[in-house]
Amino acid sequence: DQQVKQNSPSLSVQEGRISILNCDYTNSMFDYFLWYKKYPAEGPTFLISISSIKDKNEDGRFTVFLNKSAKHLSLHIVPSQPGDSAVYFCAASHNNNDMRFGAGTRLTVKP
Amino acid sequence: ETGVTQSPTHLIKTRGQQVTLRCSSQSGHNTVSWYQQALGQGPQFIFQYYREEENGRGNFPPRFSGLQFPNYSSELNVNALELDDSALYLCASSLGDRGIVREQYFGPGTRLTVT
Repeated sequence: DQQVKQNSPSLSVQEGRISILNCDYTNSMFDYFLWYKKYPAEGPTFLISISSIKDKNEDGRFTVFLNKSAKHLSLHIVPSQPGDSAVYFCAASHNNNDMRFGAGTRLTVKP
Repeated sequence: ETGVTQSPTHLIKTRGQQVTLRCSSQSGHNTVSWYQQALGQGPQFIFQYYREEENGRGNFPPRFSGLQFPNYSSELNVNALELDDSALYLCASSLGDRGIVREQYFGPGTRLTVT
C-alpha cells in the first residue's frame, strides 16, 4: 500500500529559482516527516524533518511545510543550486520504527 | 567519526540460494534499520533492531531475517532467494531511545541481483 506518494517523478528548475517538491500521505497516524536527498551510488542523506505539531521548519535554504488537513507536505529550496540536483525522497513515520518512503522526485537544477 | 558501511557492494546470486548482507553502524548508534529499494521506488522498510532485539517489521516474509550484534553492527539474511529479491538493500543507523528514532544515517547499500 502506497501510504506516501510523490506524484512528480522529475522536476527541472533554473539555478537561483525556487524548487518545490511535493508529497502526499494517506495515514493520519503519521507524526513525523522527513526529506532525504540521494546522489547516485550513495545512500539517502537526511535533509530536514518536521513533527506533526508544527506546520513549518526552516534550515538555511530548505523549508518544509506541513498541511495536516490536506495530508500534504512540501520542500522548498531557495535559491536552487546545481549541487542540489539529486533524487529527493519524502518519508513519514508513526512510532518511528516503520518509516514509509515515497518513490522519489528527481530534481535537476540547470545552470 | 565513521559513517555507515555496508558489504558487499554488489552481489550476484542464483534463485533458491541464501545471502547475508552486513552493515556497520555509525559510532554511538544503537539502532539499525534495513530497507529494500527496488528500481524506481523508494526504500521499503524490512525491519529494525534496537539493542540487539527486533523492534518492528515491515511486510516481508519470514525468509528475511536479521541479527544485531553487541557492537550494534547488523546482518540481513535472505533465504530461498527469488528473482523479485533483486534490489538495493540499504542499512540505516540511528541513536534511538527505546527504539524511537528520528534522523537515520544510511549506508551506500548493497546491490543484489538474483538470476
